[in-house]
Amino acid sequence: RKEVEQDPGPFNVPEGATVAFNCTYSNSASQSFFWYRQDCRKEPKLLMSVYSSGNEDGRFTAQLNRASQYISLLIRDSKLSDSATYLCVVKAGSARQLTFGSGTQLTVLP
Amino acid sequence: ETGVTQTPRHLVMGMTNKKSLKCEQHLGHNAMYWYKQSAKKPLELMFVYSLEERVENNSVPSRFSPECPNSSHLFLHLHTLQPEDSALYLCASSQILQGTDTQYFGPGTRLTVL
Repeated sequence: RKEVEQDPGPFNVPEGATVAFNCTYSNSASQSFFWYRQDCRKEPKLLMSVYSSGNEDGRFTAQLNRASQYISLLIRDSKLSDSATYLCVVKAGSARQLTFGSGTQLTVLP
Repeated sequence: ETGVTQTPRHLVMGMTNKKSLKCEQHLGHNAMYWYKQSAKKPLELMFVYSLEERVENNSVPSRFSPECPNSSHLFLHLHTLQPEDSALYLCASSQILQGTDTQYFGPGTRLTVL
């Protein structure tokens, strides 16, 4: 079983749609969770951290379910510029290394 | 953004060549990382330098050799690489704090081994 699993997609949605991505992780000792965004042929960039209580940043909402070892990202009112690969990232405790999922590809269509 | 810079951005080398990748961070961070990103695969951590300690992924071949002369600079020395080493090599840095420490990535070096 992969340490961090994501549906690779692709997700093709029209502008204005709401889209949700899910991610599961296998290490129950994981303590920090993130969503990164990676544009084609560019480096990953932090989109948002994921907190136990859930958090929202504009059109983006992240949720964490520790019991099910599950993280989600919801994007409302999709824009063309949201087209990218979204990476689910997990860190276990004080470990320095991040564990990345393979990413979910999103294309927002005009 | 110029927080983390990498050179060269593109590199083509033969299997018998020796080359080095360079990374520099301008964020005052105390940890630096090398990742490998191959097509259709997750980012794979290769090496971590933090607080003068080096941690490495045991699966990384010895033909990859890191060097961290100070907290702002990180090198990856390459020798006798194989075609399967062709990938995007990403450098990242972070400030180690209690709890979360966000990693910031450089633009990467796209390496092709012929």
